[in-house]
Amino acid sequence: AQSVTQLDSQVPVFEEAPVELRCNYSSSVSVYLFWYVQYPNQGLQLLLKYLSGSTLVKGINGFEAEFNKSQTSFHLRKPSVHISDTAEYFCAVTGTQGGSEKLVFGKGTKLTVNP
Amino acid sequence: NAGVTQTPKFRILKIGQSMTLQCAQDMNHNYMYWYRQDPGMGLKLIYYSVGAGITDKGEVPNGYNVSRSTTEDFPLRLELAAPSQTSVYFCASSLQTGLRVHSPLHFGNGTRLTVT
Repeated sequence: AQSVTQLDSQVPVFEEAPVELRCNYSSSVSVYLFWYVQYPNQGLQLLLKYLSGSTLVKGINGFEAEFNKSQTSFHLRKPSVHISDTAEYFCAVTGTQGGSEKLVFGKGTKLTVNP
Repeated sequence: NAGVTQTPKFRILKIGQSMTLQCAQDMNHNYMYWYRQDPGMGLKLIYYSVGAGITDKGEVPNGYNVSRSTTEDFPLRLELAAPSQTSVYFCASSLQTGLRVHSPLHFGNGTRLTVT
């Protein structure tokens, strides 16, 4: 079964510093990959997705992610973070369960941007 | 355009009580989902539906029931509440065409449930 590992549960950074949130998944057979962001007391919203094509994907709010098939990774990056980027970030990968395809979520990474 | 609306926002239940968490979407999405989110555990799929009249179990269905009588509504029922069901519950919807999960999920703002 597909599994998703987000290697850091918490990432503290200073404002304007670069950040990388790491995500690895278990099976590379024809996967679709997503990053979602959850601001406090809200639901998740899509940040970016990789379905096919260029391995570098750009999303909202200046975030980007790179699909690396050989390393089964889909790390999220931002060159300069803002206080408003403080949130929890979830990596999700398609996986088959019960004969149909579902999204499998990682456990999340809490990004805290300090002034 | 309201998107996905969940009610109530908060609820405290006693052990053994029952309740229904409401979810409605106005985007004419065919797929709807119920997830629970526990601290440090990510999201776990409880039930999902691919269209009106069709529901199926997810990863953690025990203790829950769902129905989908219309495209818009997807209520989640807890029959005999237990402390293990203390969690934040999210409803989501998406417009899926074909068998691949390629469309983004649209989430509600969640229902925070405490069972004591």
